[in-house]
Amino acid sequence: DAGITQSPRHKVTETGTPVTLRCHQTENHRYMYWYRQDPGHGLRLIHYSYGVKDTDKGEVSDGYSVSRSKTEDFLLTLESATSSQTSVYFCAIKGTALYHGYTFGSGTRLTVV
Amino acid sequence: GESVGLHLPTLSVQEGDNSIINCAYSNSASDYFIWYKQESGKGPQFIIDIRSNMDKRQGQRVTVLLNKTVKHLSLQIAATQPGDSAVYFCAENMTGANSKLTFGKGITLSVRP
Repeated sequence: DAGITQSPRHKVTETGTPVTLRCHQTENHRYMYWYRQDPGHGLRLIHYSYGVKDTDKGEVSDGYSVSRSKTEDFLLTLESATSSQTSVYFCAIKGTALYHGYTFGSGTRLTVV
Repeated sequence: GESVGLHLPTLSVQEGDNSIINCAYSNSASDYFIWYKQESGKGPQFIIDIRSNMDKRQGQRVTVLLNKTVKHLSLQIAATQPGDSAVYFCAENMTGANSKLTFGKGITLSVRP
């Protein structure tokens, strides 16, 4: 997806290990979001950022933390991964215009074993 | 891995027919609505949007209808093609500082050849 890159694309990790997912954008957009997507569910917001060092919780934030030290990077950390965090994680970006949709990355498929 | 489309409602249409995908939104204060398309293994892609001061908006082969009285949104796809097979999500937003999109659970569109 133009302007937004997620890494890694796939990861398998063991229960209890820390994991960090990276979202990188080249659009200089102010807003960045982390969602998770599970079978049978829509996209659920984990955390979002409305500027450097400005972040807030979404509806499913337990077990996750985020950091945004630069406009272009938004990191999602699972401090101690659990099997319930096996999911596909999407990052999204948005500019400051009021009526502006999100642009999504290609996703990271995380499996916690 | 398990497809995001499993466990979701499915709409099956014949190639060449018109498709209508419906969505009920939850917040009467929402003033901006977006339809996204998600193909297997990819992130959601913007299709079309509509503001609450409109009740219809047309794009290329797609039309979005908004009925605020009953909080209902629909996506019409004309002359459905095999490439339209995907999961479709509606999203609603109450615009303002640090606003966030809220996504519906999604509907799988399956196009029969």
